[in-house]
Amino acid sequence: DQQVKQNSPSLSVQEGRISILNCDYTNSMFDYFLWYKKYPAEGPTFLISISSIKDKNEDGRFTVFLNKSAKHLSLHIVPSQPGDSAVYFCAASKGTYKYIFGTGTRLKVLA
Amino acid sequence: GAGVSQSPRYKVAKRGQDVALRCDPISGHVSLFWYQQALGQGPEFLTYFQNEAQLDKSGLPSDRFFAERPEGSVSTLKIQRTQQEDSAVYLCASSLATSGGPYNEQFFGPGTRLTVL
Repeated sequence: DQQVKQNSPSLSVQEGRISILNCDYTNSMFDYFLWYKKYPAEGPTFLISISSIKDKNEDGRFTVFLNKSAKHLSLHIVPSQPGDSAVYFCAASKGTYKYIFGTGTRLKVLA
Repeated sequence: GAGVSQSPRYKVAKRGQDVALRCDPISGHVSLFWYQQALGQGPEFLTYFQNEAQLDKSGLPSDRFFAERPEGSVSTLKIQRTQQEDSAVYLCASSLATSGGPYNEQFFGPGTRLTVL
């Protein structure tokens, strides 16, 4: 039972345009959400997070939106840069250290 | 400063062999986590240490998996009698957190890729 789903395995975007990565979850008890970015042969690195009491969190070029009624979150990257090419994992938590990860979306930003 | 390091980076084992995977967390990090990432999947939680105490081992898939952190720093994940389904990347993460909450960033190591033939 996949509680956190990233239905798009891959996404290609032109440099300078917006990248939108999506994530859906099934458990309404999740109250904290994170995005991690992973380059090949490296471990995932934290990118941005959002608490369920908010619907938006912004950090530079990265914005995460949370729609609790739809159990959906998205990561927007504007403008996209070639260095953003990586695998992006969405993760959720029920208020603990235990993160439930999605399967990842591979983003390719084309120069 | 130095991040989380793991060794070996790659390990090939024959089915039935025992393996030991090492994790060196960031100095001073109290919390340490192990995750298993199968091919095409996201990381899955295995176990959690706070200092030397293993507070949660609910994610360990079988009693063939054993983790320890005897002095509250370096941790070892041991897999006995390896099976082909154990093939995966094993990730270690550490965090400054002393609480059990989600808000302190988990810093991941590069992982050990285990292949069981």
